[in-house]
Amino acid sequence: EIVMTQSPATLSVSPGERATLSCRASQSVSTNLAWYQQKPGQTPRLLIYGASSRATDIPARFSGSGSGTEFTLTISSLQSEDFAVYYCQQYNGWPPWTFGQGTKVEIK
Amino acid sequence: EVQLLESGGGLVQPGGSLRLSCAASGFTFKTYAMSWVRQAPGKGPEWVSVISGSGRNIFYADSVKGRFTISRDNVKNTVYLEIKRLRAEDTAMYYCAKGPWDIAVVPLGNWFDPWGQGTLVTVSS
Repeated sequence: EIVMTQSPATLSVSPGERATLSCRASQSVSTNLAWYQQKPGQTPRLLIYGASSRATDIPARFSGSGSGTEFTLTISSLQSEDFAVYYCQQYNGWPPWTFGQGTKVEIK
Repeated sequence: EVQLLESGGGLVQPGGSLRLSCAASGFTFKTYAMSWVRQAPGKGPEWVSVISGSGRNIFYADSVKGRFTISRDNVKNTVYLEIKRLRAEDTAMYYCAKGPWDIAVVPLGNWFDPWGQGTLVTVSS
């Protein structure tokens, strides 16, 4: 099973600042990597798939990069509605498909 | 608009069983893989099971293999998850989620979009 490790566990950022979240895979997943946002009491929402493709209706301030084992989600200028928990998920090949443990982005 | 509506969760004693349902609408159901993903309180999501559009290709996470059974009814546009011999560690919100394609047609992995609102399964005596 591919283990996904996210860092940091918590990121304190001021509104308007850039946030950079990391996700590492225990073995190469090529670009088969997705990012999700989850707000308290809500369902996870797809942000990025294919490591760098934005999902429908996702604002351009969200961008993804990376390949192989190292991936980054960048939020260029944090808005109040972006404070949430973010998860990465690998979907390389047949299951099991695995998630990271999450990074909480909180207001500094 | 794609909509997924889960039902069937509840409070169950250890060793008990439940059948979860997910009613889908807004897309051609039989042409997409469907997954169940669960999330224990305060934890990250955990993929549980996937079923191809026809129902012939099925995969499970090791943690549920032998206890969980996924199925689908392409006339009722519904996917099911039967869970048996429940354990305390099965306590979680259970979500159904749509894949981007049918894994039997496109043999590649799935991300999940959208997710339903979830149904809560609590295992406790």
